[in-house]
Amino acid sequence: EVQLVESGGGLVQPGGSLRLSCAASGFTFSSYEMNWVRQAPGKGLEWVSYISSSGSTIYYADSVKGRFTISRDNAKNSLYLQMNSLRAEDTAVYYCARGSSGRRRCYFDYWGQGTLVTVSS
Amino acid sequence: DIQMTQSPSSVSASVGDRVTITCRASQGISSWLAWYQQKPGKAPKLLIYAASSLQSGVPSRFSGSGSGTDFTLTISSLQPEDFATYYCQQANSFPTITFGQGTRLEIK
Repeated sequence: EVQLVESGGGLVQPGGSLRLSCAASGFTFSSYEMNWVRQAPGKGLEWVSYISSSGSTIYYADSVKGRFTISRDNAKNSLYLQMNSLRAEDTAVYYCARGSSGRRRCYFDYWGQGTLVTVSS
Repeated sequence: DIQMTQSPSSVSASVGDRVTITCRASQGISSWLAWYQQKPGKAPKLLIYAASSLQSGVPSRFSGSGSGTDFTLTISSLQPEDFATYYCQQANSFPTITFGQGTRLEIK
C-alpha cells in the first residue's frame, strides 16, 4: 500500500524556518517524481515545488522561489521541504504528492495527509 | 501563467441528480487536465486525468470531457459520498501546474 506521511509542521514566527519531511513507503520511491502542494485555511490548492526522481531537476512556484528548498533522499525514501524567511501568507497545510507514472507523471495520484504550518507572532 | 477558472463556485444538488462542473483555462492546454475530489480535513483524490481518463478505482459515474480551454466534470447520479469540493488542475505547463479555485458540491 502506497503511503506518504508528512511531518515537521508547527507554529513559527515570521522570518523563521521550518523543515518538512515526507516519508514514503509501499512503492519504489526513487522511480517517482514528487511535489509539495499547499492549502491555506479555507482556500484552494497551490502547487509549491517539484523534484525529479533523481533530484537533478527542481522547480518552484514564484511565491516561494528563493526561500524554499526541495530535496530528497532516495536511500531513506524521504522528501523534504526546507522553508526559510517564512511569512504569514505561507500558513497552510502542506501536502507531499506523488506524480503518477510515465506520461501521467504530471498528475498526482497519491497524497499524504498533510502537515499544518502556521506562521504567526 | 495559465489561469484555471471553475464554475460554479458552489452548487447544491440532491442524491441521484446529474451534476456538471466546468473548468476554463486562460489558454489552450490540449487535454492536459485532471480533476480531484477533496473532502473536509482530507487530502485531494485524483478522479480524472488527461481530461477524460478515469483513475483506477474511481466509480464510473464520474466522467470528464473537453480539450483546449473548456472542460467538464460530470457526476451522472450523485451519491451521498460525492458531496465534497472539486478542483481542476492543468498540466500543460508541467511541472509548474496550477489548480482551479474549487467548486463546492453541497447537499440540497
